[in-house]
Amino acid sequence: QKEVEQNSGPLSVPEGAIASLNCTYSDRVSQSFFWYRQYSGKSPELIMSIYSNGDKEDGRFTAQLNKASQYVSLLIRDSQPSDSATYLCAVNMVYNQGGKLIFGQGTELSVKP
Amino acid sequence: GAVVSQHPSRVICKSGTSVKIECRSLDFQATTMFWYRQFPKQSLMLMATSNEGSKATYEQGVEKDKFLINHASLTLSTLTVTSAHPEDSSFYICSARAYSESNQPQHFGDGTRLSIL
Repeated sequence: QKEVEQNSGPLSVPEGAIASLNCTYSDRVSQSFFWYRQYSGKSPELIMSIYSNGDKEDGRFTAQLNKASQYVSLLIRDSQPSDSATYLCAVNMVYNQGGKLIFGQGTELSVKP
Repeated sequence: GAVVSQHPSRVICKSGTSVKIECRSLDFQATTMFWYRQFPKQSLMLMATSNEGSKATYEQGVEKDKFLINHASLTLSTLTVTSAHPEDSSFYICSARAYSESNQPQHFGDGTRLSIL
């Protein structure tokens, strides 16, 4: 089992729809979770951080965390073509004192005009 | 805040050349920096964790003598790819985390695209 798993996609949604991206992780004691967006040929940029169970909203983005189910998701409301990118789920591994991030393989999102 | 600068953005050189990549935290002190490599259509793979003033910690399978890391100050880490060969061609990305914030996100540089001919 991979430490962090995402559906690779591509996930295609029409403009204005809600895009739902999902991620599961294996380390039960992990405490911090991140979503990064990566455009083709560019480096990742931080979209959301989440540390507690429940929802966290920032503009059109909502991150959801369920530690009991070891599940974290990202919702993008009113999707725009500019949201088309690969979304990387990252989990901070507690057992490693350096706090290294483990990344999922990424979900490619395509928003069609 | 939390800006990370990486230089150069692109390198094209002949096989056997050594290439040095710099990673700087511009507006914060970074006791820990990370070096990643990303091949096309794949996710980021951590190569090593760079700690200021001490030896880097390399991930399994990464040759420390080939990928030399120096973290001499709280704002600068360098990665040197020694005697690079075509199979070393990849997208190299550094990241940094602010001092004493081990639970906080990493901030990424813009990456260096390395092409070895």
